[in-house]
Amino acid sequence: GENVEQHPSTLSVQEGDSAVIKCTYSDSASNYFPWYKQELGKRPQLIIDIRSNVGEKKDQRIAVTLNKTAKHFSLHITETQPEDSAVYFCAPRILTGGGNKLTFGTGTQLKVEL
Amino acid sequence: DAGVIQSPRHEVTEMGQEVTLRCKPISGHDYLFWYRQTMMRGLELLIYFNNNVPIDDSGMPEDRFSAKMPNASFSTLKIQPSEPRDSAVYFCASTQRGRKQFFGPGTRLTVL
Repeated sequence: GENVEQHPSTLSVQEGDSAVIKCTYSDSASNYFPWYKQELGKRPQLIIDIRSNVGEKKDQRIAVTLNKTAKHFSLHITETQPEDSAVYFCAPRILTGGGNKLTFGTGTQLKVEL
Repeated sequence: DAGVIQSPRHEVTEMGQEVTLRCKPISGHDYLFWYRQTMMRGLELLIYFNNNVPIDDSGMPEDRFSAKMPNASFSTLKIQPSEPRDSAVYFCASTQRGRKQFFGPGTRLTVL
């Protein structure tokens, strides 16, 4: 199965600074790379995803970059705001006819301080 | 669209009792997933279904856990008998093949 690691496990930044979370995976066949955000007491929600034929994707203040050779992808949040405080999970997988099984990383607790 | 619906939202029970969690996926979605989330183990996939058929139940912790999907709009996760270590938040999620997973609000289970 897929081994997924996230770094760091906790991250504290000042409001307005940038935050970067890295996800390392083991299965070279993985071709879909989503990031989920989970606020305290809430459900995980997809915030951005990328497919392996693209190296980078941006959506306003968030972006994801992919390095398939090194088997890692990263979440970038710029101009952080207090509402960005949450736990972020990566969940790389293979988009095939076999299904949609996700293996979640261990999560990164992001705290944006005023 | 109401999204994925789960019930109950909170469940408190005593050790040894049977617990049944329920999920209604988003209409038209052909995959349904059950996850468990704890501080110690994070977010774990327990089982998932495709077109109502269980595809992978390798994450089901033991025989006390069972899941069914009798039709495209309903699934249950049952724990019998329940134990304190089963206390967790249980999420149901659904998706169409190749598309994003949408999570339900979760059921917070406490076994005393």
